[in-house]
Parts: sequence; C-alpha cells; structure tokens
Amino acid sequence: DTEVTQTPKHLVMGMTNKKSLKCEQHMGHRAMYWYKQKAKKPPELMFVYSYEKLSINESVPSRFSPECPNSSLLNLHLHALQPEDSALYLCASSQRDRGRNTEAFFGQGTRLTVV
Amino acid sequence: GQSLEQPSEVTAVEGAIVQINCTYQTSGFYGLSWYQQHDGGAPTFLSYNALDGLEETGRFSSFLSRSDSYGYLLLQELQMKDSASYFCAVMEGRRALTFGSGTRLQVQP
Repeated sequence: DTEVTQTPKHLVMGMTNKKSLKCEQHMGHRAMYWYKQKAKKPPELMFVYSYEKLSINESVPSRFSPECPNSSLLNLHLHALQPEDSALYLCASSQRDRGRNTEAFFGQGTRLTVV
Repeated sequence: GQSLEQPSEVTAVEGAIVQINCTYQTSGFYGLSWYQQHDGGAPTFLSYNALDGLEETGRFSSFLSRSDSYGYLLLQELQMKDSASYFCAVMEGRRALTFGSGTRLQVQP
C-alpha cells in the first residue's frame, strides 16, 4: 500500500465554520506534512510532523491547527478561515531517516473553497 | 532560507528530448528531488539525487552537481502524457521538502 488518502476531496465552508481535513497512510512513514497549493503555484510547506511531534510550523495562522493522533493519521482543523485560504491542501508522508529514500508520497488533496 | 529557480515554461514536440534546469540556494542540503504534477492531480515522485552524477529511471534522468548547486531533469522520447508541471525540490536542513516554482511542460504533436 503506497497510498496517502485524504478526505474530503472537496470542501466548501463559510468563514464562521469549523471543519477538519483528514489524512491517512499505512506505509510506516514517520514524517507527515501539510502543504498548501494555489493554482499555478508550487506546494508551500505548512507543517511537518516527525514521530507524531510537530517539528516545523511555517508561521501558519492559528486558524489552521494540525493534529497527529497517531503515526498513521494527520488532521488539519480549520476555523474562521478567509476566502484567500481557498486552495488545494495536500498531505504527504515520507520515511524519516538519512537514507537515500526521501521520496514523499502525496495524497490527492482536498480542494477547499471558503465563501 | 531556501530558493530554487526553474524556467517557467518549456515547449517541445513528441519524441524529442527536453531538459529542465534547477538552481538552488539552501541552508543544509540532503538531496534534490523531482516531482511531476498533472493539472488537478497530486505531485508524484520522479527521482532523487543525493550525490553528484546522473540517475536514470526509464525515460527520465536526473543530474546533480552539489558544487554548482545545480541539477536538471532530462525527459527523453517525449509523449503527450508528459505535459504537466515539473517541480524540483530540496530536502534541506530542517528535513522538509521545499519546492521550486515549477516548470510547465507542453508537449505538442
């Protein structure tokens, strides 16, 4: 199983809503990532979890709150978002060692629209 | 900080060879990766170079020169399905992937 599964695939939410994005992998990867991607732009790193601990927060606004309940799951809790937060949110995972294999596996993303 | 530069667009015809260059500046460096992303899809891994030299995987090859902070992706025998965006990405000191701006490849008949 080399899949990263993200749900939901599409999400429309109002600026006062609270919603969560979910990500799951069963490859035994110990690093998991959230990226944000706007149209025709590269993925931008938001958060990195290493061994279920938050290791990188790229100065992301507090209206985005990540959570890693266990080594297979990653959530992104959303609250009071702005229309400019509309984007494709990508989850990825990779092995966490110094070996040659640093391939990151990406989920298909959640396309978020904030209205 | 990190910065990676790539050409924004490349156009080539079916069957041709195309090279996409990437120059980078980063603090700490573990390796250079290449990802392909079709419109509406997720990035998918193509190749990774940790050491200088050429890595070949089928029609795709990738090259790295650490001393020049430079790499390239070579695509041979281009097919229409290769039309996509291609990103170089560095695994840098913080152990996270940072992506270049991306190169949009258009393959024409």
